[in-house]
Amino acid sequence: EVRLVESGGGLVKPGGSLRLSCAASGFSFNTFSMNWVRQAPGRGLEWVSFISDASTHINYADSVKGRFTISRDDAKSSLFLHMNSLRAEDSAMYYCARVITRPPLFLPEDLDYWGPGTLVTVSA
Amino acid sequence: SYDLTQPPSVSVSPGQTASITCSGDKLGNKYTSWYRQKPGQSPVLVIYRDSERPSGIPERFSGSNSGNTATLTITGTQNMDEGVYYCQVWDTGTFVFGPGTEVTVL
Repeated sequence: EVRLVESGGGLVKPGGSLRLSCAASGFSFNTFSMNWVRQAPGRGLEWVSFISDASTHINYADSVKGRFTISRDDAKSSLFLHMNSLRAEDSAMYYCARVITRPPLFLPEDLDYWGPGTLVTVSA
Repeated sequence: SYDLTQPPSVSVSPGQTASITCSGDKLGNKYTSWYRQKPGQSPVLVIYRDSERPSGIPERFSGSNSGNTATLTITGTQNMDEGVYYCQVWDTGTFVFGPGTEVTVL
């Protein structure tokens, strides 16, 4: 059974830092690309960051570029999001999600499994 | 950046058909996926590659995509189908989500 479990969320002051983790199990983590997606309270889904298998391709939303860093540890089947210079508008539920690619081009297409999320609140 | 547009809400009577649209420039040239999210839960993939259903998704869910509009159709809508539905595409290295459509079964 595929499982994704996020952790590391909490209350942090503006300008502070936080490191989110996502523990994966039930599949060959090293062969899949992964995403972070966030959702502010009462708002829609916002894509945050993408990392390909072997970390060869990494992308960020403009809203977090230069402040957030995505990484992965395939040996530990874990995904991370390092968040610096946090702002009030970064407050959200953060989800990790598995990326699906399909033939013939094997480009990212959709997200077939999501974790339950971890809540980040940025407030003084 | 690429933008997707969805109606804020759709209401449907039980047993009737609900149609949710998602619009974007030349959207028919991209693969569109759809997710349903219920309150307090994570999103669930209900349609991928415009019209394909993941394992476990009922046959009453179908999709299409042509021109500038993708459509998610729920035939014979049930109360359990309530939730917010998001369309999503992958565009030039980024994942793009629509703003979401709240489906209410009255």
